[in-house]
Amino acid sequence: EVQLLESGGGLVQPGGSLRLSCGASGFTFSSYAMSWVRQAPGKGLEWVSTISGSGGSTYYADSVKGRFTISRDNSKNTLYLQMTSLRAEDTAIYYCAKLLYNSGSLRSPYDYWGQGTLVTVSS
Amino acid sequence: DIQLTQSPSFLSASVGDRVTITCRASQGISSYLAWYQQKPGEAPKLLIYAASTLQSGVPSRFSGSGSGTEFTLTISSLQPEDFATYYCQQLNSYPLFGGGTKVEIK
Repeated sequence: EVQLLESGGGLVQPGGSLRLSCGASGFTFSSYAMSWVRQAPGKGLEWVSTISGSGGSTYYADSVKGRFTISRDNSKNTLYLQMTSLRAEDTAIYYCAKLLYNSGSLRSPYDYWGQGTLVTVSS
Repeated sequence: DIQLTQSPSFLSASVGDRVTITCRASQGISSYLAWYQQKPGEAPKLLIYAASTLQSGVPSRFSGSGSGTEFTLTISSLQPEDFATYYCQQLNSYPLFGGGTKVEIK
């Protein structure tokens, strides 16, 4: 059974940093690209970032480019999102998600999602 | 940049109703479109991908159609567990979600 479990969320001041983790099990982690998707309170879904299975390719939404860094440790089956220079508008539930296809292409929907971790940016 | 417009943003329906949700892209995206269902307090769930392919385990009352710029998600006979918010997602370029359609009980 595929499981994704996020952790690391919490309250942080504007300008601060936070690192999210997503532990994966139930599939060959290194074979699949992974993504982070966020949802501000009461709002819709926003794609944040995607990383290839090897970790060699990364992609970011314009809203986080230069501030967030996606990475993965395939030996630990863990996905990360390092967030810096946080703003109030980054307040959201952050979900990690597994891409359906193992082709390495961005053109894949997300077949499994974690339960999410809440990040609140406020003074 | 591609824009995705879902309509309606809200709809009220009864159990047993046929429900159709539309997603329009500002430029052609071939069949690179997925549909998700999200219930309050839960993560999204993949329903349809490649515009019309039913994800494993999803009931057959859900169907998707379309290509290019106009797509539809249809629920043939609405069930109590289908009251939720539905999102489309384009995957032709960087992933982008539509604004969502909340389906509520009439």
